[in-house]
Amino acid sequence: EAAVTQSPRSKVAVTGGKVTLSCHQTNNHDYMYWYRQDTGHGLRLIHYSYVADSTEKGDIPDGYKASRPSQENFSLILELASLSQTAVYFCASSDVGEDTEVFFGKGTRLTVV
Amino acid sequence: QQQVRQSPQSLTVWEGETTILNCSYEDSTFDYFPWYRQFPGKSPALLIAISLVSNKKEDGRFTIFFNKREKKLSLHITDSQPGDSATYFCAASADTGNYKYVFGAGTRLKVIA
Repeated sequence: EAAVTQSPRSKVAVTGGKVTLSCHQTNNHDYMYWYRQDTGHGLRLIHYSYVADSTEKGDIPDGYKASRPSQENFSLILELASLSQTAVYFCASSDVGEDTEVFFGKGTRLTVV
Repeated sequence: QQQVRQSPQSLTVWEGETTILNCSYEDSTFDYFPWYRQFPGKSPALLIAISLVSNKKEDGRFTIFFNKREKKLSLHITDSQPGDSATYFCAASADTGNYKYVFGAGTRLKVIA
């Protein structure tokens, strides 16, 4: 079964601190994504990657960096966390092709205080 | 600016009724439209999908109707059940070489017994 594992599942961070969210997939998928979920905004794409060592900006990349060191791993980095980045973050993966299913991790609830 | 718009934002129906969820888009390059369902506290998961070559897609009680000319889709849930209570996301992707998915803000559905 397709599996996307996120860590940590929840985190409290201080404003101005650095936060790293990690994601690991065992699906052998080329594509990986980081989405942010806020009430009323649905799922917004932050960064995505279709090959190791390369990342692409999504629709809301400001304040976030991403790293794809291997096909299986994809990290989201908040260098200077801000209150506005409090949200639930989902990592996802998919195979190549537009009509393939996107598989989501369980999400990370990030609270910036 | 939302590339994929959904309405209504929330909806309450009685058990047994037909639920209609609406979705519209603007980008003419979009040609694949999956619907994802998210139960409270869970990750989104693929429910049903349709591509540009079809006008209708059925899967049990769930049917997508697609008006390509108006760039509108609707998800119909017949005989709605309390277990259908969830948030439904319409998404879109384009065959432009990289398969970026764009999600709408979602419709929160509550089915009352």
